[in-house]
Order: sequence, then structure tokens, then C-alpha cells
Amino acid sequence: QSALTQPASVSGSPGQSITISCTGTSSDVGGYNYVSWYQQHPGKAPKLMIYAVSNRPSGVSNRFSGSKSGNTASLTISGLQAEDEADYYCSSYTSSTSYVFGTGTKVTVL
Amino acid sequence: QVQLVESGGGVVQTGRSLRLSCAASGFTFSSYALHWVRQAPGRGLEWVAIISYDGNNKYYADSVKGRFTISRDNSKNTLYLQMNSLRADDTAEYYCARDTINYYGSGSCGYWGQGTLVTVSS
Repeated sequence: QSALTQPASVSGSPGQSITISCTGTSSDVGGYNYVSWYQQHPGKAPKLMIYAVSNRPSGVSNRFSGSKSGNTASLTISGLQAEDEADYYCSSYTSSTSYVFGTGTKVTVL
Repeated sequence: QVQLVESGGGVVQTGRSLRLSCAASGFTFSSYALHWVRQAPGRGLEWVAIISYDGNNKYYADSVKGRFTISRDNSKNTLYLQMNSLRADDTAEYYCARDTINYYGSGSCGYWGQGTLVTVSS
């Protein structure tokens, strides 16, 4: 199972909005609504930000939102803050009854 | 509060075996699917395996299929990963994670442990 494709890096200024894409195939992202997004700060365990395409876990800021169109899922961070600087990974269920992560995106707050 | 604590990592020679454990607390262990996810040094996340809430269903990444076995003991609130025939590319931080939603789950990892490092060398 090949990793989902994410841009290597995305940057934005404080207060701006950014969007991270996650491209797969009809056998993963496009075929199921089991897409999730994780934030990882250096040296820390990942943290769930979005599950089932667009659901936010309790405690996650509403500045984070998720969506999906065809084989591409997206994570949007609005009102960018310094603490949002981290690596972000998408993940999807696949037709092989397995899961696959994305290649990861480094978000930089300018 | 939900806690997941991994143990059992260390340095092991190529071809040998290692068993990781993940002790859980703060939730009804037998109601949630559990995952193992790994991260090689400086690399991205890689999903390894999942076990259903009742232990009856187990699925693996192709990279570990036939070498790794996921299991759980619901009476001990503990998840395991038996790793055999270890290779250099199995070197990684190994995380256990709990599904966000109970029983049939959401396919997402809502809670993570702090990880345990496995280093495979010749």
C-alpha cells in the first residue's frame, strides 16, 4: 500500500488560513469516509485533529476543519497561530482492510 | 484519563525477536480496537497493525505480515506486538493507539502512548 500524497511543506502568516491536501485513490481516500488527520510536534506522540473526514474530537480547536472531494482529502487551519507549527499527517482506511498514512506536511508559521 | 504506556523496546540483532507491551488504563479496554503505529527516525508515520475490541479480527501492513503478531489480553488491559525475524528497517519508535470510538470504531487513533524505541542492528 503506497503512502498517501501530501505536500512536503506549507507555510502561512499568523491569522491566515492554510490548506493541506492528501491525495489517494478510490481504494482508500475516495472509497471510504475513514480519513483522519494528526498533528505531531517534534519529539511528541501524534495528536488526532480530525476523524471520519470532518469530525473534530473534543478539545480540538474549531480552527481545524476537514473535508473530502473524490480521492483528495483536505485539512484547513484558519487563524493560523504559532502553536500550529508542526508536522501533519493524514490517514485513510483502505480496501485491503488496512490503513495508510500520508507522507506528512511540515507547517511553518512565518 | 486515558493512559497508554508502551514497554519492551530496546536493541536487538537482525533476525531475532522482541515483544512489545502496551498497558492501558482510564477506559473500558475491552470496548475499543487498538493499533500499533511506528515511526522510523526522522521519517513519517507507518501503520503496523490493528486488533478488534474482542480480539477476533487482526489486520497487518504488508511490510510486517507473517512476521509480526498483534494480540490483546482484555483481563490484563494489555496490548501486545510480537515481532519476529526483525530487520534493520523495523528500527522505529513504536506507538500503541486506541480507536476514537468504541466497538467498531472510526478508523482513527484518538489516544496514543508515548512510544517505545526498537533498534535492530547487526
